Amino acid sequence: TQLLEQSPQFLSIQEGENLTVYCNSSSVFSSLQWYRQEPGEGPVLLVTVVTGGEVKKLKRLTFQFGDARKDSSLHITAAQPGDTGLYLCAGANAGGTSYGKLTFGQGTILTVHP
Amino acid sequence: EPEVTQTPSHQVTQMGQEVILHCVPISNHLYFYWYRQILGQKVEFLVSFYNNEISEKSEIFDDQFSVERPDGSNFTLKIRSTKLEDSAMYFCASRDRWNTEAFFGQGTRLTVV
Repeated sequence: TQLLEQSPQFLSIQEGENLTVYCNSSSVFSSLQWYRQEPGEGPVLLVTVVTGGEVKKLKRLTFQFGDARKDSSLHITAAQPGDTGLYLCAGANAGGTSYGKLTFGQGTILTVHP
Repeated sequence: EPEVTQTPSHQVTQMGQEVILHCVPISNHLYFYWYRQILGQKVEFLVSFYNNEISEKSEIFDDQFSVERPDGSNFTLKIRSTKLEDSAMYFCASRDRWNTEAFFGQGTRLTVV
């Protein structure tokens, strides 16, 4: 069974601060996806990282995939209240009939105070 | 922008009743999934579906669950005899042939009473 450990579970910061969310696993994934989920809604895809060591930027968000494709991080620079929400990482299986099946982390609830 | 559509958004049912959750995946996608999220817990994989058959199912997906693609656009999840512990948000997702990027619907909140 693949597991994806996401940390921290809760993060409460002031506007303007930086933060990093981590996802770690002992398993190799073909890709890792980051989602944002609002209460009562489905996960919305933010970014997919595919290549080991890959770094992708989305405005103030920086996503990194570990060299061994087992871990990933999300870094937010100068957080704003609009960043408040639940962030999920999900690893996609590498092959066979499970290819594309997602294993989710527990999620990080981010609160950015004005 | 294409999106995955799920109906109903909320379903309340009596324990022991059958429910069918509906999904319309993105039109050119070939791989379809159901996930569920019990309140306060992580999103869990239920089943994957490709080429009109189940590719993989989790331990949660027992004989009470079934999936069907009755026509070229719909993808349904049926729970034959609901239990209280089936109460959760159910998400449908789809992806294309070339990428592992999965796009999720808004979800159906199932409440079993």
